[in-house]
Amino acid sequence: DAMVIQNPRYQVTQFGKPVTLSCSQTLNHNVMYWYQQKSSQAPKLLFHYYDKDFNNEADTPDNFQSRRPNTSFCFLDIRSPGLGDAAMYLCATSRPRDRVTDTQYFGPGTRLTVL
Amino acid sequence: AQKITQTQPGMFVQEKEAVTLDCTYDTSDPSYGLFWYKQPSSGEMIFLIYQGSYDQQNATEGRYSLNFQKARKSANLVISASQLGDSAMYFCAMREEDSNYQLIWGAGTKLIIKP
Repeated sequence: DAMVIQNPRYQVTQFGKPVTLSCSQTLNHNVMYWYQQKSSQAPKLLFHYYDKDFNNEADTPDNFQSRRPNTSFCFLDIRSPGLGDAAMYLCATSRPRDRVTDTQYFGPGTRLTVL
Repeated sequence: AQKITQTQPGMFVQEKEAVTLDCTYDTSDPSYGLFWYKQPSSGEMIFLIYQGSYDQQNATEGRYSLNFQKARKSANLVISASQLGDSAMYFCAMREEDSNYQLIWGAGTKLIIKP
């Protein structure tokens, strides 16, 4: 039944050690999003793909990269995690009919700890 | 200026009572959509309900309804007959038509249902 799947659910990495988070979807949605959410805050959009078109938010650090090899999968790469990158990372998908009604559906998130 | 304001950082409500979570918004775009999401402590962001700016009727989804007052720019979420499982963080979000798919999020309201 799971429609947006994120692996792993919990990830522990060391300071400066690259880490990859994955997201897959069975909804066949053409837009996929990556959010960062710190404790007790609203999610912050990092980037999104509309099909293969990559859209980076202006304030997303260069340390964060993304790949979308096909419709179903999207990856978040953190090249050199810092302590400030410890957060929940949420993947979402949507199939917009138009920009206003577009509803995003989220995965369960990956909680990243940086030691 | 804040585009989405949730004035209640936290609320305690007795089980089985109705709950109203406040959300006011600010936009000059005539076409926009309003969304409510629930985030339990597990972290997954769950879509609850959507209201379009041109919708004539207030949206309802099971126990959730949206009290949409366009002139006041408010979109309050009403949960009828609250249950213990309703304890979570609730976020109000808005998308404007000219937004490149970005959701504008409120700060959230932490709801705790007391038995």
